[in-house]
Amino acid sequence: NAGVTQTPKFQVLKTGQSMTLQCAQDMNHEYMSWYRQDPGMGLRLIHYSVGAGITDQGEVPNGYNVSRSTTEDFPLRLLSAAPSQTSVYFCASSYNGDSYEQYFGPGTRLTVT
Amino acid sequence: GESVGLHLPTLSVQEGDNSIINCAYSNSASDYFIWYKQESGKGPQFIIDIRSNMDKRQGQRVTVLLNKTVKHLSLQIAATQPGDSAVYFCAEKAPRQNFVFGPGTRLSVLP
Repeated sequence: NAGVTQTPKFQVLKTGQSMTLQCAQDMNHEYMSWYRQDPGMGLRLIHYSVGAGITDQGEVPNGYNVSRSTTEDFPLRLLSAAPSQTSVYFCASSYNGDSYEQYFGPGTRLTVT
Repeated sequence: GESVGLHLPTLSVQEGDNSIINCAYSNSASDYFIWYKQESGKGPQFIIDIRSNMDKRQGQRVTVLLNKTVKHLSLQIAATQPGDSAVYFCAEKAPRQNFVFGPGTRLSVLP
């Protein structure tokens, strides 16, 4: 198993540009989520999905969209990048959302200038 | 390397000593807890978990202690090694709620 994979690993955007961060898992996990990690802060939940076709907002959803057309993939779209979205983004998956360990991808470091 | 953790508290221990990393959690309804290890440039890696019906759980060289009375969690690492150097953070979860993550502690192992 490859586990949770993310692409790209690094990305630089200009303010106003849009892009999609890719996330895929091959563990047949129902639950997938996106977090951002900023210096000195804990991981903050952006969006999550409890299964294909179902998504919901987390703690900091503004400026981001997600979709879940398959069990394996959970892309995160930045609609119009802002400097405040400069962060490290992690995708995670777990068997289901309730009380199971989450497996994290390697992260995408995004810089918005 | 990652910019994450620039402002984190740091625990420095001598190689071979035991390390204790602490975490205060916020929600008295939380019934599941995880400790993660995050090395520079990598995603968080699961270390050990514990449910609220337990006070202690042991893994390989690691022990997690849970004190529900004061809402405190600790991670003990025995015989700390250079490879243990990383940021460690806890996560709590209440039923039907999402995980909440602490900011972490940077562990530095001195030779």
